[in-house]
Amino acid sequence: QSALTQPASVSGSPGQSITISCTGTSSDVGGYNYVSWYQQHPGKAPKLMIYDVSKRPSGVSNRFSGSKSGNTASLTISGLQAEDEADYYCSSYTSSSTPYVFGTGTKVTVL
Amino acid sequence: QVQLQESGPGLVKPSQTLSLTCTVSGGSISSGSYYWSWIRQPAGKGLEWIGRIYTSGSTNYNPSLKSRVTISVDTSKNQFSLKLSSVTAADTAVYYCARAGSYYGRFDYWGQGTLVTVSS
Repeated sequence: QSALTQPASVSGSPGQSITISCTGTSSDVGGYNYVSWYQQHPGKAPKLMIYDVSKRPSGVSNRFSGSKSGNTASLTISGLQAEDEADYYCSSYTSSSTPYVFGTGTKVTVL
Repeated sequence: QVQLQESGPGLVKPSQTLSLTCTVSGGSISSGSYYWSWIRQPAGKGLEWIGRIYTSGSTNYNPSLKSRVTISVDTSKNQFSLKLSSVTAADTAVYYCARAGSYYGRFDYWGQGTLVTVSS
């Protein structure tokens, strides 16, 4: 099972919106509405930001939103803030030999 | 509030077995339809799912590690454990335990992670 493909880095200025893509196949992202997104600050554990493509856990800012089209899921961060600077990983349920697959990760830089 | 905490040796010799335990607090490991997973992250790299266990004891493993991995649960201690045999330097990583809120994923609670180094 190959990792989902994410851009290595995305950057934006404070207040702007950025979008991170997560591309898989019809066996994972495209086949199920079970994509989740995680934020990871240096030296910290990942934190769930989005699940089931577009649902936000309690306590997560509504500046974070998720969507999906075909085999590609996206995470959008609006009103970018300095605290959003972190690594972001997508994950999907998959019908392959392993139930979960993670993305390659994207480093978000706030300029 | 559910909390997870990994524990175990931080240094393991090559060819030996890595053993880690995850202690769950703030809720029973037996309650609800949760799946308990181990996930690892080599320094500077991405996340790799290792395997999971359900409270019934049923397990699933990453095929790339399946021959070397065993995950077990001790409901009396509210813990689940990871054993990875025949380790090499490639197994050096931060190991996380995490709870999946559903069969389909959604890792909603994570431990802080523990660094395991494989070196002689």
